[in-house]
Amino acid sequence: DIQMTQSPSSLSASVGDRVTISCRASQGISKYLAWYQQKPGKVPKLLIYAASTLRSGVPSRFSGSGSGTDFTLTISSLQPEDVATYYCQKYDSAPWTFGQGTKVEIK
Amino acid sequence: EVQLVQSGAEVKKPGESLKISCKGSGYSFTDYWIAWVRQIPGKGLEWMGIIYPSDSDTRYSPSFQGQVTISADKSISTAYLQWSSLKASDTATYYCAKSLGGGERRAFDIWGQGTMVTVSS
Repeated sequence: DIQMTQSPSSLSASVGDRVTISCRASQGISKYLAWYQQKPGKVPKLLIYAASTLRSGVPSRFSGSGSGTDFTLTISSLQPEDVATYYCQKYDSAPWTFGQGTKVEIK
Repeated sequence: EVQLVQSGAEVKKPGESLKISCKGSGYSFTDYWIAWVRQIPGKGLEWMGIIYPSDSDTRYSPSFQGQVTISADKSISTAYLQWSSLKASDTATYYCAKSLGGGERRAFDIWGQGTMVTVSS
């Protein structure tokens, strides 16, 4: 099965900073990748699908890029409400594995 | 409004059976995949499996194959996750989620509120 590896596992950044989270697949998955945000005690929320398509209603400071095996989620200007754990997920074929998550905190 | 409403929290003993549910509304239930996702307290998201309610095509993660059963009753727009013999290690919150669409749109756009399952003697 294809493994999904996120880095870093956690990060701390200041409000207004540019934040980048990486997700690497052990084999190519084309653009079948999504990013989710899960705030503490809340249900996961879809941010980006097809590697780079922003879901309607998601702030434009979030963006995704990549294809094949290497993907990136970027927050262009970190806001206090972005404190959360972010997960990537592949969905090219079963199993639709999640990455282990990246916890984002404010410095 | 498109939503998935899950059944309530459960407290069970090891060895007991359990079936939790996820009812879809506000959309055509048979046209979108429904997945089940486990989250152990303090841990990450784990994809357990998925079902296409139109024809009950079901896929499982190798980690959960044989441990749970996923099913759906399209007549009442409800998907299920079932255990025949629970273990303490099944203690977790279980989410159902629907796909946004097909192909590159198969990410999960709508999630249920989660069902907390506690297994303890």
